[in-house]
Amino acid sequence: DAGITQSPRHKVTETGTPVTLRCHQTENHRYMYWYRQDPGHGLRLIHYSYGVKDTDKGEVSDGYSVSRSKTEDFLLTLESATSSQTSVYFCAISEIREQQPQHFGDGTRLSIL
Amino acid sequence: QKEVEQNSGPLSVPEGAIASLNCTYSDRGSQSFFWYRQYSGKSPELIMFIYSNGDKEDGRFTAQLNKASQYVSLLIRDSQPSDSATYLCAVNIRTGGGNKLTFGTGTQLKVEL
Repeated sequence: DAGITQSPRHKVTETGTPVTLRCHQTENHRYMYWYRQDPGHGLRLIHYSYGVKDTDKGEVSDGYSVSRSKTEDFLLTLESATSSQTSVYFCAISEIREQQPQHFGDGTRLSIL
Repeated sequence: QKEVEQNSGPLSVPEGAIASLNCTYSDRGSQSFFWYRQYSGKSPELIMFIYSNGDKEDGRFTAQLNKASQYVSLLIRDSQPSDSATYLCAVNIRTGGGNKLTFGTGTQLKVEL
């Protein structure tokens, strides 16, 4: 199994609070991704990173920011959580963006009340 | 038109039968195609990838790619109850910002005893 650890695994918080999710990898892969998964929508890309301090937006980036200060860590922050951000969040990694497959972490189930 | 389309199912097959899962995609220039299996409450797990037209076999799994018709399929031979899961098709789709991995919403497979 790819060495990907997401934390926390579960979180319940209130609307308006900041939330940070962490993804840690031990594979030294260049690319890291954050997805959310919702019924009827499948997996949707939030943000991705192609190197330390190099990040870009995905298709559903509004309300989210990311940071990558080390190769192994990719943080996803919800500055002011809203109920529409209740979802399951997955981190993924890949060696090369286009041709290589992505491998997923175990996910974080986030509930915003 | 969705970029990657799958029938949501459920697809029910008896134990020992062949399960056939299909996926169509919109970008004729797509070059890489992936199948993931996702058990309920778990993260997506890569089971197959295919880059060239034709068939690729790995154990009980066969991926089939037809770029002219823009579809990719997954065959599971000798289906087992443990194969019951949601199968996600993922395709690299060209965008203005480069390629991105786009997921279908998944087909639920049920293998019945």
